[in-house]
Amino acid sequence: AQSVTQPDIHITVSEGASLELRCNYSYGATPYLFWYVQSPGQGLQLLLKYFSGDTLVQGIKGFEAEFKRSQSSFNLRKPSVHWSDAAEYFCAVGENNFNKFYFGSGTKLNVKP
Amino acid sequence: DAGVTQSPTHLIKTRGQQVTLRCSPISGHKSVSWYQQVLGQGPQFIFQYYEKEERGRGNFPDRFSARQFPNYSSELNVNALLLGDSALYLCASSFGVSEQYFGPGTRLTVT
Repeated sequence: AQSVTQPDIHITVSEGASLELRCNYSYGATPYLFWYVQSPGQGLQLLLKYFSGDTLVQGIKGFEAEFKRSQSSFNLRKPSVHWSDAAEYFCAVGENNFNKFYFGSGTKLNVKP
Repeated sequence: DAGVTQSPTHLIKTRGQQVTLRCSPISGHKSVSWYQQVLGQGPQFIFQYYEKEERGRGNFPDRFSARQFPNYSSELNVNALLLGDSALYLCASSFGVSEQYFGPGTRLTVT
């Protein structure tokens, strides 16, 4: 069955430090991959997506992610974290017909001043 | 343009009751999906509708049902509510086969 694993439940980084959030997926075919961010009490905002082509994708707010097929990973990165990045981040995979989506359990990011 | 809208924002129901949640997609989007997000977990896929037809269903009991109207808005119905149905219910819309855009959700509390 398809699944998405985000191994880090909580991560704390200092403002200005770099960030990497891990995501591993299990899916038999070529996946469609997404990262979303959720602030407290709000819905999910799309940060970036990977459908095909260049495996390094750029998103909003300075985020990027790299698709590594050999590792079944789609890790999210940001070179310099801002205090406003504190939120919960979700990785998701869509089946190739987009009829179902699977989300990871999320990673809560805290940013120290 | 308005984003995905959901109503009501909050809802409190008693065990055994029935509830209807509503969603209006982004203008031009023909697909609507529903998710359940229990506190501390990621969203769990419930249904996807496209052009008024069910295209995908997650592992939820038959107490959960949905429909999509000719204007592409959608309703999610949950019968015989259980305490475990307390969650944030998210609606997402998309233009065909593409990324989804989420609404702010409906917070359902079952007492």
